[in-house]
Amino acid sequence: NAGVTQTPKFRVLKTGQSMTLLCAQDMNHEYMYWYRQDPGMGLRLIHYSVGEGTTAKGEVPDGYNVSRLKKQNFLLGLESAAPSQTSVYFCASMAQVGNEQFFGPGTRLTVL
Amino acid sequence: KQEVTQIPAALSVPEGENLVLNCSFTDSAIYNLQWFRQDPGKGLTSLLLIQSSQREQTSGRLNASLDKSSGRSTLYIAASQPGDSATYLCAVMTTDSWGKFQFGAGTQVVVTP
Repeated sequence: NAGVTQTPKFRVLKTGQSMTLLCAQDMNHEYMYWYRQDPGMGLRLIHYSVGEGTTAKGEVPDGYNVSRLKKQNFLLGLESAAPSQTSVYFCASMAQVGNEQFFGPGTRLTVL
Repeated sequence: KQEVTQIPAALSVPEGENLVLNCSFTDSAIYNLQWFRQDPGKGLTSLLLIQSSQREQTSGRLNASLDKSSGRSTLYIAASQPGDSATYLCAVMTTDSWGKFQFGAGTQVVVTP
């Protein structure tokens, strides 16, 4: 039981490049989340999903897209990376409302 | 919009002392509140989840209380150890933000031997 995993762990991009971050969970959770964590700002919600095939915007969705084609996977895409997207990205999952969130180990992204 | 505040941003205590960490929220219509621990360069580890109908939740040396009327939760860690050094975050789900949590910025704790 691996819990929540994220790929890759580190990435350096140049401005304008695109990439996809993969989150996978093996707990059969319905809810999945993408957050970014920046110094002094806590975690901010980018996008989330309440089940397979669904996505919704969070607090800071601009510049990101997501997809949840399979229940166990939640993908975060950056179409044209900007230095402001330099951050640590965390994925989380939750079985149902009222349950705990479980987090992945994070992806550290630097955009030059 | 729910605002979640954790004060102080950092504190240092000697080993053996009890830790008291605060989490304040502006909207008392919460569904639940979750406490996390984060070690440097790592993800968040869930410590305690307290539902809106509960006044407290306990796990080992950890105890979390919830007072919705005053918009406050407190995490107590008894007999602190150097291994308790980490950043502690709280996250609140309000009843009208179904499925979404609002996080505090965290309290960085250092326990000195």
